[in-house]
Amino acid sequence: SSELTQDPAVSVALGQTVIITCQGDSLRSYYASWYRQKPGQAPVLVIYGKNNRPSGIPDRFSGSSSGNTASLTITGAQAEDEADYYCYSRDTSGNHRVFGGGTKLTVL
Amino acid sequence: EVQLVESGGGLVQPGGSLRLSCAASGFSLSTYRMSWVRQAPGKGLEWVANIKEDGSEKYYVDSVKGRFTISRDNGRNSLYLHMNSLRAEDTAVYYCATEVVLTLENWFDPWGQGTLVTVSS
Repeated sequence: SSELTQDPAVSVALGQTVIITCQGDSLRSYYASWYRQKPGQAPVLVIYGKNNRPSGIPDRFSGSSSGNTASLTITGAQAEDEADYYCYSRDTSGNHRVFGGGTKLTVL
Repeated sequence: EVQLVESGGGLVQPGGSLRLSCAASGFSLSTYRMSWVRQAPGKGLEWVANIKEDGSEKYYVDSVKGRFTISRDNGRNSLYLHMNSLRAEDTAVYYCATEVVLTLENWFDPWGQGTLVTVSS
């Protein structure tokens, strides 16, 4: 299978916790990585591997995985977190790559 | 500063060709698998193709197979995407990205700023 499925849109109240999920068969074998993209900008890596943050990404961002589902959690969402979020991994063959359809996060 | 800079985008007619380039600075491309990722206007990210560190393996999304060719010149620290038989649906911002690949995980970092390809008559 070469699909990763994300909810198209999620909203969260300022300061609250939000979980963005990504489902796909390949996630039973491989970890997802997560990217934040703001309008007119290139994507930025926010989570990779089991639960790793690149330098410069706040510790309110965390990742987890269970079965065929990967999750990105933002604990205490801020206004600047409003963006599109994409998961990414390999397909079940391990050779091709696939992105989820993206989740538009709105911070209320 | 670690940086990827794409170039070569522009307006091309359906059926035409274009070559995109991606120049790396601040690090050596030769130790990384590299990918092209595109984003059509108002749409999500789509992985297009990747190439192994030494160029020995290349993979493509089905929609571009046979029309696009990914290549690299490690001596020039550069990545390329040769696009033939372009279609309107190939219109997108094209990003190059460095991929770190481990046994069970892989991720893109850094990304270029993107170059816009518009296929239209």
